[in-house]
Amino acid sequence: NAGVTQTPKFQVLKTGQSMTLQCAQDMNHNSMYWYRQDPGMGLRLIHYSVGEGTTAKGEVPDGYNVSRLNKREFSLRLESAAPSQTSVYFCASSLDRTGGGTEAFFGQGTRLTVV
Amino acid sequence: AQSVSQHNHHVILSEAASLELGCNYSYGGTVNLFWYVQYPGQHLQLLLKYFSGDPLVKGIKGFEAEFIKSKFSFNLRKPSVQWSDTAEYFCAVSSNDYKLSFGAGTTVTVRA
Repeated sequence: NAGVTQTPKFQVLKTGQSMTLQCAQDMNHNSMYWYRQDPGMGLRLIHYSVGEGTTAKGEVPDGYNVSRLNKREFSLRLESAAPSQTSVYFCASSLDRTGGGTEAFFGQGTRLTVV
Repeated sequence: AQSVSQHNHHVILSEAASLELGCNYSYGGTVNLFWYVQYPGQHLQLLLKYFSGDPLVKGIKGFEAEFIKSKFSFNLRKPSVQWSDTAEYFCAVSSNDYKLSFGAGTTVTVRA
C-alpha cells in the first residue's frame, strides 16, 4: 500500500518553463489537495478537489492549475514558472473533507527550484 | 477565515527534558484539530487529532495534546523527549469545510 505518491521528487526549472507535478493515491480517498511549504510559513493550500471532476482554489492559487483526472490522480501544473514558485510541494488526500473529521495523508513532496 | 499560530519557531532541548509546544487558532465555530510531525527529509505524518469528546488526546510516540476551548488552544506535550523526536511540528485546524489550515511550524532539536 503506497499511500500518496508524488513525482518527481526534485526538479529545477528555468523561469518561464512549464511542468506538471503528478500525484496519485491508492486509498480510495475522495478529497485531494496540493500544498506548498515555505520556511516560516507552514503549509499553504494551493488547490483542492473533493471528487472527480471538481476542483477549487485554496489560499494561494495564482500561477497554478490543477486537474482531477480520476479518483486516484490529481495533478498540479505550472504554466510559466517564476522564482517565487520555488518551494516544496506536497500532495495530500483524505477520505472525506478534513472538516468532516478525517485526517489528511501526505506524499513525500517535490522540491522545485525555479532559476 | 481561520488562522493558526504557533508560538515557538525553534526549540532546543536535551534528551529527557519535557516538551510543550503552543498552538492557538482563531475560529469561532466547531473545529477539528491536528498535530503533524515532519522528520528530516520525510513527509508529514499525523501525531494526534481531536474531533470531539475528551479534550486530552493521546497520540503516537508518547505525545499528547489538550484542547482548551475557552483559550482557543491545542498545545502539544511530551514528558520526556528523545533524540529521535528531532523534527518539525505543525499544528493544523479544520472547520466544516475542506480546508486544513496549518501553523508556521516549530522546529524541535533534541540534543543527546
